[in-house]
Amino acid sequence: DVKVTQSSRYLVKRTGEKVFLECVQDMDHENMFWYRQDPGLGLRLIYFSYDVKMKEKGDIPEGYSVSREKKERFSLILESASTNQTSMYLCATSVRSGSSYNEQFFGPGTRLTVL
Amino acid sequence: GNSVTQMEGPVTLSEEAFLTINCTYTATGYPSLFWYVQYPGEGLQLLLKATKADDKGSNKGFEATYRKETTSFHLEKGSVQVSDSAVYFCAFNTNAGKSTFGDGTTLTVKP
Repeated sequence: DVKVTQSSRYLVKRTGEKVFLECVQDMDHENMFWYRQDPGLGLRLIYFSYDVKMKEKGDIPEGYSVSREKKERFSLILESASTNQTSMYLCATSVRSGSSYNEQFFGPGTRLTVL
Repeated sequence: GNSVTQMEGPVTLSEEAFLTINCTYTATGYPSLFWYVQYPGEGLQLLLKATKADDKGSNKGFEATYRKETTSFHLEKGSVQVSDSAVYFCAFNTNAGKSTFGDGTTLTVKP
């Protein structure tokens, strides 16, 4: 089974702090994604990576950056956390070959609170 | 642009009731369609999928049929259980492998 792990289940940070969220997968998937999930808004894509050192902006990249130095690890960075970034953050992976047919595999999520 | 519209919740049913959660999509081409389920405190997991028109996806008693003519992928289950209480997301993939998700429908099943 694919295993996608996220570094923290719960995180509390202060406004202006730099925040790192880590995602690690063990199934050699090429595609990795970061979403945020908010009530009534569903899942919104922040960033997407289809290979090491490659990244693409999603629908809401403002205030975020990402890093993918190794295939199994995809990091989301909040350069200067703000209260409106309080949310549930979900990491997901998928196989790149035949991408349109492939489901995504999700981690358990990190609930981030910015005070 | 791409979008998914699914039935607003929350939906509350008694055990053994019939479930339908409507989902329609707007997309270019013929995307693959998915239903994901999110149990409390967990990430999403795939429930079922269909990759071409008239395909029926099924799993754990849930079914959904890919209807190209109505751009729909409604989720159904004949007899729900308390353990089915969760949030259900309809989604489709673009050729780039990215997914577009609906807003989610919260289902509560009461004994």
